[in-house]
Amino acid sequence: SAVISQKPSRDICQRGTSLTIQCQVDSQVTMMFWYRQQPGQSLTLIATANQGSEATYESGFVIDKFPISRPNLTFSTLTVSNMSPEDSSIYLCSVREGAFFGQGTRLTVV
Amino acid sequence: AQTVTQSQPEMSVQEAETVTLSCTYDTSESDYYLFWYKQPPSRQMILVIRQEAYKQQNATENRFSVNFQKAAKSFSLKISDSQLGDAAMYFCAYRDTQGGSEKLVFGKGTKLTVNP
Repeated sequence: SAVISQKPSRDICQRGTSLTIQCQVDSQVTMMFWYRQQPGQSLTLIATANQGSEATYESGFVIDKFPISRPNLTFSTLTVSNMSPEDSSIYLCSVREGAFFGQGTRLTVV
Repeated sequence: AQTVTQSQPEMSVQEAETVTLSCTYDTSESDYYLFWYKQPPSRQMILVIRQEAYKQQNATENRFSVNFQKAAKSFSLKISDSQLGDAAMYFCAYRDTQGGSEKLVFGKGTKLTVNP
C-alpha cells in the first residue's frame, strides 16, 4: 500500500502567479503521475515523473507551463506557472499503477 | 488511441438495492487493465476494483463486482446492497500493460445518487 500526502488541499491564486503542489509518499515509488481534472470533467494525465530524469509530458502539456521536480523516490512537485482562470482545476498525483491517489488540490485562479 | 465511454452521466438507486454502471472501451491491445474508481465530494480518488484482461474470472470486492466482457469490450460495475456512503462519482479507466506506460485513460464518469 501507499499513503500520499498532497499539499495544499486548495488555493485561490491571482492570475499570472505560480503555485507549487507537493506530493509526499510514505514509500519509495518508481513513477509518479500528475493528473488534471477540470470542473465537471474526467481526469487527464499531465505528465509522468521518474526520479533522476526529465518528466514525460502528454500531448497538450508543456514543461514551461507545468514544471515538475522529482528529487527522490518519495517526493514530487508540480508547478502551475503563469496561471489563468482556465487553469482552475483539481490536480492529483498518483502512484503504483493508479492504485493510490493523493487527496487532490483544488485550484481556483481569479 | 484507447478510449473509455461511460454512457450514463447520472444514475440513482434506492438504499439496499443493486445498481449497475456501464463502461465500454476501445483498444487494439490484447492485454490491459481495467479499473473502477470512486470519487466522493472530498475529491479523493479511491480504487474500487481492478480487472486484468487475461483473467476470465470477474473481479469481486465485497459488495462490488464487475461483468467483464472482453469480446464486447464492456466492463460494468455492479454495486449490491447499496449504501448511502456509495454516493459519489464513479470513473471507469483503462491502462495498457505494454510499452512501460502506466498511463490511465478515464471515462467521463457517472454520478451515483443513493436514495434513503
